Amino acid sequence: QSVLTQPPSVSGAPGQRVTISCTGGDSNIGAGYDVHWYQQLPGTAPKLLIYGHNNRPSGVPDRFSGSKSGASASLAITGLQAEDEADYYCQSYDSSLSGSVFGGGTKLTVL
Amino acid sequence: QVQLQESGPGLVKPSETLSLSCTVSGGSISSYYWSWIRQPPGKGLEWIGSISYSGTTNYNPSLKSRVTISVDTSKNQFSLNLRSVTAADTALYYCARRRVDTFIPGNWFDPWGQGTLVTVSS
Repeated sequence: QSVLTQPPSVSGAPGQRVTISCTGGDSNIGAGYDVHWYQQLPGTAPKLLIYGHNNRPSGVPDRFSGSKSGASASLAITGLQAEDEADYYCQSYDSSLSGSVFGGGTKLTVL
Repeated sequence: QVQLQESGPGLVKPSETLSLSCTVSGGSISSYYWSWIRQPPGKGLEWIGSISYSGTTNYNPSLKSRVTISVDTSKNQFSLNLRSVTAADTALYYCARRRVDTFIPGNWFDPWGQGTLVTVSS
């Protein structure tokens, strides 16, 4: 049972827009801590995708964007491409645990 | 750029201690916090703990009684010891650099090592 809740799976056709939600609580996202997103391609380590809820590291396409409202956050992917098929994880800081927490991960399937 | 590489035994017996090291290359281990994160096969990510270059640690409360993270700045390495392991500790273990920013509450992880699979089995 992860502290942050994500849908197990989402799917979309090439070119479409998909969103992945991440719901937390009063001690993490709702407390004002930012949400960060990671992309894990099959058989590889997670890679930072979005930090500070909407900043992209160098090399990450602007098709990826993040947003946050209250105790929830979302990752949006526009112009879906086959190479986007991966697992996506959200992460934040939790003050009651004094450490980092992750969502359970969402598997994105490109139809 | 900074790269991380995990190393250690891939097989550990139940009740024994899992020991891994992470070597940092392309940059100094100083001035940052460094972390261990694990991922059981087919499951999600779990933060294990973090350490500063000066040795300040914080651990996941669910693992705190069994975990020790240490740093060796002379080798640009940090290490993980997890005691009394069971099959539930079988996982891919990743090391990562913890990042912070004055204007971003909280922290994130970048970059990550490639990960090393540790299996707990007799």
